[in-house]
Amino acid sequence: KAGVTQTPRYLIKTRGQQVTLSCSPISGHRSVSWYQQTPGQGLQFLFEYFSETQRNKGNFPGRFSGRQFSNSRSEMNVSTLELGDSALYLCASSSIPSGSSYNEQFFGPGTRLTVL
Amino acid sequence: QQQVKQSPQSLIVQKGGISIINCAYENTAFDYFPWYQQFPGKGPALLIAIRPDVSEKKEGRFTISFNKSAKQFSLHIMDSQPGDSATYFCAAIQSGGYQKVTFGIGTKLQVIP
Repeated sequence: KAGVTQTPRYLIKTRGQQVTLSCSPISGHRSVSWYQQTPGQGLQFLFEYFSETQRNKGNFPGRFSGRQFSNSRSEMNVSTLELGDSALYLCASSSIPSGSSYNEQFFGPGTRLTVL
Repeated sequence: QQQVKQSPQSLIVQKGGISIINCAYENTAFDYFPWYQQFPGKGPALLIAIRPDVSEKKEGRFTISFNKSAKQFSLHIMDSQPGDSATYFCAAIQSGGYQKVTFGIGTKLQVIP
């Protein structure tokens, strides 16, 4: 079974631009969560989608948005990029919503975003 | 606001030694505590997990100790090996409802020969 894939793996953008990241979950998984990983903050939850609906959202500004398609693939968009948005963006998929107990999330390798 | 506090942030251990990483939480509604291991260039992967009705769980060289009254849990890596060098994250989950997974800040472990 193929794992979680994320594209692109690396991205360099300049301030003010926007960016779209893509995540393909494990086949059969309907839940996709997005995280921002930085050295100083660790893993910060962005949002979770389940069956095309956003179930939960972290404390990030409205510049961060996402969506999920009927095939469970998900995209994350960041508009008006700031230097502080430089981070590793991880997505994780699971068969059931992430808040369910005993549920394992499977992470992708991440997209390394650098904002210049 | 960090709901799960993890320490230390970095750790150097000799090969064969014991690595210990600690986490503490405030929200007593958390009812599942997984640990994730992340190698460079990879996403985190589930290593071991525990429920609060159990005080200890062991899988191979990895053991979680859980102290419900102190709201603390820790990961012990026995006979640490250079291949264990990675970043380790503790996490906490409150089941049910629309709750998210809360991660600790991570511990970068280096096992030296």
